[in-house]
Amino acid sequence: GENVEQHPSTLSVQEGDSAVIKCTYSDSASNYFPWYKQELGKRPQLIIDIRSNVGEKKDQRIAVTLNKTAKHFSLHITETQPEDSAVYFCAASMSGGGADGLTFGKGTHLIIQP
Amino acid sequence: DVKVTQSSRYLVKRTGEKVFLECVQDMDHENMFWYRQDPGLGLRLIYFSYDVKMKEKGDIPEGYSVSREKKERFSLILESASTNQTSMYLCATLSSGKPQHFGDGTRLSIL
Repeated sequence: GENVEQHPSTLSVQEGDSAVIKCTYSDSASNYFPWYKQELGKRPQLIIDIRSNVGEKKDQRIAVTLNKTAKHFSLHITETQPEDSAVYFCAASMSGGGADGLTFGKGTHLIIQP
Repeated sequence: DVKVTQSSRYLVKRTGEKVFLECVQDMDHENMFWYRQDPGLGLRLIYFSYDVKMKEKGDIPEGYSVSREKKERFSLILESASTNQTSMYLCATLSSGKPQHFGDGTRLSIL
Protein backbone atom coordinates (compact mmCIF):
# COMPACT_ATOMS: atom_id res chain seq x y z
CA GLY A 1 0.00 0.00 0.00
CA GLU A 2 0.86 3.67 -0.04
CA ASN A 3 3.41 5.05 2.44
CA VAL A 4 3.77 8.76 3.20
CA GLU A 5 6.83 10.17 4.95
CA GLN A 6 6.67 13.67 6.45
CA HIS A 7 9.52 15.92 7.66
CA PRO A 8 10.32 17.53 9.96
CA SER A 9 8.34 16.28 12.93
CA THR A 10 8.79 19.64 14.68
CA LEU A 11 9.48 23.01 13.07
CA SER A 12 10.07 26.24 14.96
CA VAL A 13 10.20 29.52 13.02
CA GLN A 14 10.19 33.21 13.91
CA GLU A 15 6.97 35.09 13.31
CA GLY A 16 7.06 36.60 9.84
CA ASP A 17 9.46 33.99 8.45
CA SER A 18 8.52 31.21 6.04
CA ALA A 19 7.90 27.56 6.92
CA VAL A 20 8.29 24.55 4.63
CA ILE A 21 7.04 21.03 5.35
CA LYS A 22 7.97 18.19 3.03
CA CYS A 23 6.34 14.86 2.24
CA THR A 24 7.25 11.94 0.03
CA TYR A 25 4.97 9.16 -1.15
CA SER A 26 5.73 5.69 -2.42
CA ASP A 27 3.03 4.81 -4.95
CA SER A 28 3.22 6.59 -8.29
CA ALA A 29 -0.51 5.93 -8.76
CA SER A 30 -1.36 8.49 -6.07
CA ASN A 31 -3.04 11.49 -7.64
CA TYR A 32 -4.54 13.59 -4.83
CA PHE A 33 -2.56 15.31 -2.07
CA PRO A 34 -4.38 17.29 0.65
CA TRP A 35 -2.91 19.14 3.61
CA TYR A 36 -4.74 19.32 6.94
CA LYS A 37 -4.16 21.64 9.90
CA GLN A 38 -5.08 20.48 13.38
CA GLU A 39 -5.13 22.90 16.28
CA LEU A 40 -4.93 21.54 19.80
CA GLY A 41 -8.12 19.69 20.74
CA LYS A 42 -9.78 20.33 17.41
CA ARG A 43 -10.59 18.39 14.26
CA PRO A 44 -8.22 18.29 11.28
CA GLN A 45 -9.26 20.89 8.71
CA LEU A 46 -8.29 21.00 5.07
CA ILE A 47 -6.15 24.02 4.22
CA ILE A 48 -5.12 23.24 0.65
CA ASP A 49 -5.00 20.32 -1.77
CA ILE A 50 -3.43 19.55 -5.12
CA ARG A 51 -4.07 17.00 -7.83
CA SER A 52 -1.45 15.29 -9.93
CA ASN A 53 -2.20 17.26 -13.08
CA VAL A 54 -1.02 20.45 -11.39
CA GLY A 55 2.51 21.35 -10.24
CA GLU A 56 1.71 24.18 -7.87
CA LYS A 57 -1.28 25.74 -6.14
CA LYS A 58 -1.46 28.87 -4.03
CA ASP A 59 -4.01 30.32 -1.64
CA GLN A 60 -2.94 33.61 -0.07
CA ARG A 61 0.01 32.79 2.27
CA ILE A 62 -0.16 29.05 1.65
CA ALA A 63 1.19 27.17 -1.35
CA VAL A 64 1.72 23.54 -2.23
CA THR A 65 4.15 22.18 -4.82
CA LEU A 66 4.15 18.71 -6.33
CA ASN A 67 6.99 16.89 -8.07
CA LYS A 68 5.54 13.70 -9.54
CA THR A 69 8.86 12.45 -10.85
CA ALA A 70 10.48 12.59 -7.43
CA LYS A 71 7.21 11.67 -5.67
CA HIS A 72 7.31 14.49 -3.22
CA PHE A 73 5.15 17.46 -2.33
CA SER A 74 5.66 20.40 -0.01
CA LEU A 75 3.66 22.93 1.96
CA HIS A 76 4.94 26.50 2.05
CA ILE A 77 3.63 29.07 4.50
CA THR A 78 4.89 32.63 4.08
CA GLU A 79 4.75 35.53 6.56
CA THR A 80 3.93 33.15 9.41
CA GLN A 81 1.61 34.36 12.17
CA PRO A 82 0.93 33.04 15.71
CA GLU A 83 -2.34 31.45 14.54
CA ASP A 84 -0.34 29.24 12.17
CA SER A 85 0.90 27.28 15.19
CA ALA A 86 -0.64 23.80 14.88
CA VAL A 87 0.06 20.27 13.71
CA TYR A 88 0.05 19.87 9.95
CA PHE A 89 -0.59 16.59 8.15
CA CYS A 90 0.05 15.73 4.54
CA ALA A 91 -1.85 12.88 2.88
CA ALA A 92 -2.05 10.99 -0.38
CA SER A 93 -4.77 9.09 -2.20
CA MET A 94 -5.02 7.01 -5.37
CA SER A 95 -8.73 7.56 -5.75
CA GLY A 96 -8.85 11.09 -7.04
CA GLY A 97 -10.59 12.82 -4.18
CA GLY A 98 -9.83 10.39 -1.39
CA ALA A 99 -12.88 8.19 -1.89
CA ASP A 100 -10.87 5.12 -0.86
CA GLY A 101 -9.44 6.88 2.16
CA LEU A 102 -6.31 8.92 2.75
CA THR A 103 -2.83 7.78 3.78
CA PHE A 104 -1.44 10.37 6.17
CA GLY A 105 2.05 11.41 7.14
CA LYS A 106 2.86 11.43 10.85
CA GLY A 107 2.49 15.16 11.20
CA THR A 108 4.60 18.27 11.75
CA HIS A 109 4.24 20.39 14.86
CA LEU A 110 4.75 23.97 13.67
CA ILE A 111 5.68 26.46 16.37
CA ILE A 112 5.67 30.18 15.59
CA GLN A 113 8.02 32.06 17.91
CA PRO A 114 6.98 35.67 18.66
CA ASP B 1 -21.57 23.80 6.15
CA VAL B 2 -20.94 20.07 6.53
CA LYS B 3 -21.78 18.73 9.97
CA VAL B 4 -20.24 15.44 11.13
CA THR B 5 -21.35 14.51 14.62
CA GLN B 6 -19.67 11.88 16.76
CA SER B 7 -21.82 10.69 19.61
CA SER B 8 -19.26 11.11 22.41
CA ARG B 9 -16.20 13.35 22.88
CA TYR B 10 -14.85 11.17 25.70
CA LEU B 11 -15.55 7.52 26.47
CA VAL B 12 -14.13 5.16 29.09
CA LYS B 13 -14.67 1.42 28.78
CA ARG B 14 -13.23 -1.74 30.26
CA THR B 15 -11.17 -4.47 28.61
CA GLY B 16 -13.38 -7.06 26.94
CA GLU B 17 -16.40 -4.80 26.56
CA LYS B 18 -18.15 -4.36 23.23
CA VAL B 19 -17.89 -0.70 22.28
CA PHE B 20 -19.90 1.27 19.73
CA LEU B 21 -18.74 4.61 18.31
CA GLU B 22 -21.36 6.45 16.30
CA CYS B 23 -20.97 8.99 13.52
CA VAL B 24 -23.80 10.91 11.85
CA GLN B 25 -23.59 13.31 8.92
CA ASP B 26 -26.25 15.65 7.60
CA MET B 27 -25.11 16.24 4.02
CA ASP B 28 -26.15 13.04 2.23
CA HIS B 29 -22.49 12.16 1.54
CA GLU B 30 -21.82 8.79 -0.05
CA ASN B 31 -18.46 8.04 1.54
CA MET B 32 -17.73 7.73 5.24
CA PHE B 33 -14.51 6.81 7.04
CA TRP B 34 -13.14 5.85 10.43
CA TYR B 35 -9.57 6.77 11.39
CA ARG B 36 -7.65 6.47 14.61
CA GLN B 37 -5.09 9.09 15.63
CA ASP B 38 -2.17 8.32 17.90
CA PRO B 39 0.71 10.65 18.88
CA GLY B 40 3.61 10.33 16.48
CA LEU B 41 1.67 8.02 14.14
CA GLY B 42 -0.68 10.44 12.41
CA LEU B 43 -4.10 9.27 11.26
CA ARG B 44 -4.59 5.68 10.13
CA LEU B 45 -7.58 4.38 8.19
CA ILE B 46 -9.57 1.61 9.90
CA TYR B 47 -12.61 1.12 7.65
CA PHE B 48 -14.57 3.06 5.07
CA SER B 49 -17.90 2.80 3.30
CA TYR B 50 -19.04 4.17 -0.05
CA ASP B 51 -22.71 3.21 0.24
CA VAL B 52 -25.32 1.81 2.59
CA LYS B 53 -24.45 -1.72 3.74
CA MET B 54 -21.09 -1.52 1.92
CA LYS B 55 -17.79 -1.57 3.81
CA GLU B 56 -14.14 -1.81 2.94
CA LYS B 57 -11.11 -2.52 5.13
CA GLY B 58 -8.56 0.20 5.55
CA ASP B 59 -4.98 -0.15 6.70
CA ILE B 60 -5.63 -1.33 10.29
CA PRO B 61 -8.99 -3.16 10.47
CA GLU B 62 -7.96 -5.85 12.96
CA GLY B 63 -10.08 -5.81 16.10
CA TYR B 64 -12.73 -3.56 14.56
CA SER B 65 -15.91 -3.90 12.54
CA VAL B 66 -18.34 -1.37 11.09
CA SER B 67 -22.00 -0.99 10.28
CA ARG B 68 -23.78 1.28 7.83
CA GLU B 69 -27.50 0.58 7.86
CA LYS B 70 -28.48 4.13 6.86
CA LYS B 71 -26.65 6.56 4.61
CA GLU B 72 -26.20 9.18 7.32
CA ARG B 73 -24.84 6.87 10.05
CA PHE B 74 -21.57 4.94 10.20
CA SER B 75 -20.76 2.96 13.33
CA LEU B 76 -17.40 1.62 14.47
CA ILE B 77 -17.54 -1.47 16.68
CA LEU B 78 -14.84 -2.82 18.95
CA GLU B 79 -15.97 -6.41 19.46
CA SER B 80 -13.83 -6.99 22.56
CA ALA B 81 -12.01 -3.85 23.60
CA SER B 82 -8.33 -4.06 24.46
CA THR B 83 -5.97 -1.50 26.03
CA ASN B 84 -4.11 -1.02 22.71
CA GLN B 85 -7.32 0.40 21.27
CA THR B 86 -7.08 3.41 23.55
CA SER B 87 -6.91 6.25 21.03
CA MET B 88 -8.61 9.23 19.41
CA TYR B 89 -11.14 8.06 16.82
CA LEU B 90 -12.09 10.38 13.98
CA CYS B 91 -14.98 9.98 11.58
CA ALA B 92 -14.90 11.68 8.17
CA THR B 93 -17.25 12.06 5.21
CA LEU B 94 -16.75 12.78 1.54
CA SER B 95 -18.92 13.67 -1.40
CA SER B 96 -17.75 13.47 -4.99
CA GLY B 97 -15.40 16.31 -5.86
CA LYS B 98 -15.17 17.56 -2.30
CA PRO B 99 -12.45 16.98 0.33
CA GLN B 100 -12.85 14.80 3.38
CA HIS B 101 -14.50 16.56 6.30
CA PHE B 102 -13.83 15.37 9.85
CA GLY B 103 -15.87 15.18 13.01
CA ASP B 104 -14.58 16.40 16.38
CA GLY B 105 -13.36 12.94 17.41
CA THR B 106 -14.00 10.55 20.28
CA ARG B 107 -11.22 10.06 22.81
CA LEU B 108 -11.61 6.44 23.91
CA SER B 109 -9.86 5.00 26.94
CA ILE B 110 -9.86 1.27 27.58
CA LEU B 111 -9.02 0.36 31.17
